[in-house]
Parts: sequence; structure tokens; C-alpha cells
Amino acid sequence: NAGVTQTPKFRILKIGQSMTLQCTQDMNHNYMYWYRQDPGMGLKLIYYSVGAGITDKGEVPNGYNVSRSTTEDFPLRLELAAPSQTSVYFCASSYSTGSTYEQYFGPGTRLTVT
Amino acid sequence: GESVGLHLPTLSVQEGDNSIINCAYSNSASDYFIWYKQESGKGPQFIIDIRSNMDKRQGQRVTVLLNKTVKHLSLQIAATQPGDSAVYFCAENGNGGSQGNLIFGKGTKLSVKP
Repeated sequence: NAGVTQTPKFRILKIGQSMTLQCTQDMNHNYMYWYRQDPGMGLKLIYYSVGAGITDKGEVPNGYNVSRSTTEDFPLRLELAAPSQTSVYFCASSYSTGSTYEQYFGPGTRLTVT
Repeated sequence: GESVGLHLPTLSVQEGDNSIINCAYSNSASDYFIWYKQESGKGPQFIIDIRSNMDKRQGQRVTVLLNKTVKHLSLQIAATQPGDSAVYFCAENGNGGSQGNLIFGKGTKLSVKP
């Protein structure tokens, strides 16, 4: 299994541009998440999904949109990029049941908005 | 409100010594806690987890202790090695909801001196 994969690894955007961060998992996890991590800080939840067709806002959803048309994919869309969105973005997935809430993380996308 | 924090932002230890990384949580409803390790430029990796019905759990060279009375969590790393240098995050499941959401602390940077 490749686990959780994210593309691109790096991206520089100009203010006002848009882009989609891709996330794919091959573990058949129902739950998927998007986080942002600012320098020296912890992870903040942007959006999450408990299954295909279902998404919900996390702690910091403003300026982002998501969709979940398949179990495997959970893209994150940035519309009208702003410097405040400069961050490292992590996608994660987890099982929906059981005794663990362990989330499996991708390698991250480093985004700079100038 | 819900929060997960850490007592120390940085920790420096000598190779071979034991490391103790602390974490405080505030949500009494949390019943699941997890530690992640994040190496520079990578996504967080699972280390160990513990449920609230336990006060101690051991893994390979790591032990997690949970004190529900004072809402405190710690990660002990035995015989710390240079490869243990990373940022360590604790996380809790907050309201114990079924969405699998985790609330992350800011992290502690562990540096291992040779």
C-alpha cells in the first residue's frame, strides 16, 4: 500500500490565484482529513469527511473547499489565495470504527502565497 | 474550551538518556489520546496511543502515562537515540465523538545530543 499520497509537494501561488491540493489513500479508510500546520505550531483541522459524499468543517475552514466523490480521494480547493494561507498542508485518513482513532498522514504540501 | 497543550516547547537530552515529554489536556470527555512523531519535512507518524480506561501503556522503548485526575499525559522514551530527534505531538479526541477528530497540541521539539 502507498498509504496517503499528496500532490504537489511544493507550490508557490500569487495572491488571488486558485489551486487544488490532491489527496489519495489506498487503505479503504472512510474518514479523511485536511490539516494546516503553520511554522512551529500544531495541526489545525480545515475540513474532514466521514465518507464519500459527506464533508464537514473543521476549526479553520474559511478560504477552502473540499469534495469527496470517492472513498479514495479528498481534494482541497483554495479559492483566491491569500498570504495567510501560506502553510504546510497535511491530508490524513483513518478507520471509522474500532478501538483506535489513529490517523495516517501524507507527506504534506508546502504552499507559499506571495 | 477544548485544548491540548504542552509544558515545554523544547527538550534537549543526551544520547542514551531517557526523555519525558509532557502534555496537558482540558477536555474531561476525551477518552482517547495519541502521540505522534514528526521529523523535519515529513508528516506525523503514529507512536503510541492509550484509552482513558488505562493509565499506562508500553511500546518499543516508549511508554505513555495518563493521569486523568490532573488531565496530564506523558511520553517516555527510553535510551534516547539521535533518530528520536523530532517534534512530538499529543492529541486527544475531544468530545469523544464518532467522527474520529483529533485535537493536536503545539508540539515539543526533542533534540538529542551525541
